[in-house]
Amino acid sequence: DTAVSQTPKYLVTQMGNDKSIKCEQNLGHDTMYWYKQDSKKFLKIMFSYNNKELIINETVPNRFSPKSPDKAHLNLHINSLELGDSAVYFCASSQGGTIINEQFFGPGTRLTVL
Amino acid sequence: DQQVKQNSPSLSVQEGRISILNCDYTNSMFDYFLWYKKYPAEGPTFLISISSIKDKNEDGRFTVFLNKSAKHLSLHIVPSQPGDSAVYFCAASVQRSWGKLQFGAGTQVVVTP
Repeated sequence: DTAVSQTPKYLVTQMGNDKSIKCEQNLGHDTMYWYKQDSKKFLKIMFSYNNKELIINETVPNRFSPKSPDKAHLNLHINSLELGDSAVYFCASSQGGTIINEQFFGPGTRLTVL
Repeated sequence: DQQVKQNSPSLSVQEGRISILNCDYTNSMFDYFLWYKKYPAEGPTFLISISSIKDKNEDGRFTVFLNKSAKHLSLHIVPSQPGDSAVYFCAASVQRSWGKLQFGAGTQVVVTP
């Protein structure tokens, strides 16, 4: 039944480690996103993929690398984790490409870097 | 540079009364606006949207008003219910921008009995 799912829900790791967050949507949408919600609670878009192609790439460090193996999945790999990467990461999906449509969000992954 | 601002971090309202949430934006290119609701430990869920060609959109208890000249929009919830207690995010975008939404910081609404 879950529309947009993310794993893991919580991730605690040491500085310098590499970690991945997985996202899957079963809505048949063609566009997927990664957002970061920082300590000030702002939700900021990081990446967007449409039909497995990178469409939006905000000013995000190269240590962040999204990968979309198919339209239903968008994973986020983070290399050399830093303290400032601690945040909640949300995956979202929508249908419609360039046209703005409702985005469906996953439950979030709380990443804590120690 | 925060282009969408929600200047009230919190709002307390009695059950049955009206909740009014405000949002201001600075980018005159924005032409599509959305409101999302978020419960703790969950992702945001879509509430209602409005295109810049309209000044009002209603959906049940929720109404969004857009004042383009003032670059201001508001969300009215009437009547407020305890289940409405959540964080509400305003978001803005330019159509045909591949879903690039700019979010405000959110307003925490608490509906008291």
